[in-house]
Amino acid sequence: QVQLMESGGGVVQPGGSLRVSCAASGFTFDDYAMYWVRQRPGKGLEWVATTSNDGSNRYHADSVKGRFAVSRDNSRNTLYLHMDSLTAEDTAVYYCARAMRDDYGFFCDFWGQGTLVTVSS
Amino acid sequence: QPVLTQPPSASASLGASVTLTCSLSAGYSHYKVDWYQQRPGEGPRFLMRVGAGGIVGSKGDGTPDRFSVWGSGLNRYLTIHTLQEEDECDYYCGADHGGVSNFMGLFGGGTKLTVL
Repeated sequence: QVQLMESGGGVVQPGGSLRVSCAASGFTFDDYAMYWVRQRPGKGLEWVATTSNDGSNRYHADSVKGRFAVSRDNSRNTLYLHMDSLTAEDTAVYYCARAMRDDYGFFCDFWGQGTLVTVSS
Repeated sequence: QPVLTQPPSASASLGASVTLTCSLSAGYSHYKVDWYQQRPGEGPRFLMRVGAGGIVGSKGDGTPDRFSVWGSGLNRYLTIHTLQEEDECDYYCGADHGGVSNFMGLFGGGTKLTVL
C-alpha cells in the first residue's frame, strides 16, 4: 500500500536551516509529482512546493520562494524540503503528498502524517 | 489566480445531511476543485474531485458512498448524508493553477464540521 513517511522536523532557531524528508513506498515513486503542504498551528492547509516526477520542474509558494527548495532523489524514493532563513511564521506541520495527474491538473491522492517544524529561540 | 472561499464552520445533527460549499472567485467557473477531509491529528485524505458538472474521476480510497459532490456556477459542493460522529472534522477544497512556467497550488480556508 502507498506510504509516505515524513521525518526531520524539530526545533530550530530563527534564521536557521532545516531539511525535512519524505520516504515513499508502495508505488513507483518516479511516476508521480510530489507536493509539500504545511499547516500552521490551528490554521488551514497552505501549499508550499511541488516537484515534477523527474525533478526537472519545481515550484514554490511566494511565501517561501528564495528560502525553501524542494528536491527529490528517485533512486532513494525520497522527497526533500530544504528550508533556510526560517522565521516563526514557518512553524507548522509539514506534509508530503503524492500528486495524481489527470486532464484537469493535479490532486493529492495520498498524504503522510506530517512532521512538525518549530522555529523558536 | 483563483481564490477558494469556504465558510469557517458548519453543523448538522447525527443522521442528517449537510452540504459544504467551496466558492471560486469570479472568472473561474470552469475550474475543478478537490475535496479533502482532515481528522484531528491526522494528515488530510482525498475525497473526490468536482467540477460544474459533478464528480470528476473516481472517489478516493475508502471514501464512503454517503459522500457526494456537485457543482453550479462558481460553487462546488460536498454533501454528506446520514452523518456519523466520525464525520466531525475539517474539510478543505483545493485546486491548482497555472502551467509549466507558473504553477501554484491553492486551498480554501477549510470548514470545521460539527455533528450535533
